[in-house]
Amino acid sequence: GIQVEQSPPDLILQEGANSTLRCNFSDSVNNLQWFHQNPWGQLINLFYIPSGTKQNGRLSATTVATERYSLLYISSSQTTDSGVYFCAVDNNNDMRFGAGTRLTVKP
Amino acid sequence: EPEVTQTPSHQVTQMGQEVILRCVPISNHLYFYWYRQILGQKVEFLVSFYNNEISEKSEIFDDQFSVERPDGSNFTLKIRSTKLEDSAMYFCASSERDPYEQYFGPGTRLTVT
Repeated sequence: GIQVEQSPPDLILQEGANSTLRCNFSDSVNNLQWFHQNPWGQLINLFYIPSGTKQNGRLSATTVATERYSLLYISSSQTTDSGVYFCAVDNNNDMRFGAGTRLTVKP
Repeated sequence: EPEVTQTPSHQVTQMGQEVILRCVPISNHLYFYWYRQILGQKVEFLVSFYNNEISEKSEIFDDQFSVERPDGSNFTLKIRSTKLEDSAMYFCASSERDPYEQYFGPGTRLTVT
């Protein structure tokens, strides 16, 4: 099956800093989503982005499908951004998640 | 805004017992999914369901698991004889079409003792 690798596994930032999270995948995909898992365990949809670039407030994402990677940018980070960020990809009606990047934003 | 709901939020059961986890997908969605997340690990795909049939299932989804859409609104996951290793958060998701954005419910935390 398709392999999904996320980097870095852990990231500690000072409030106000910017960051880039990366997701590499091993095959062509029909679907790519970024999620934020909050401290209560809920998976919050951030982006549906099988290709191209999207922005939503302080967050933006870019997927380069031909090169099999996606990037999630967080600008001016806040403590509420803390949690685990997952990339998930789907090419056969069975979405596969990466291991996640655990982000800690310190005040 | 429409959302996926799941009940119960937390279920505790004894090893060997049957459990049914319930989900109400978003009303106009046609594709339904179950995932699980063992504590501290990544989210794992279990099964996808469309038109009253399983579309895909993972190696985790063995004969102990089954899914059903008993009526026009509910989507259930049944584990026939729970094991300790079934303890996890179970997420239901739905999407309008495939491939497309999947929306996840808040999860049911299953604890098998």
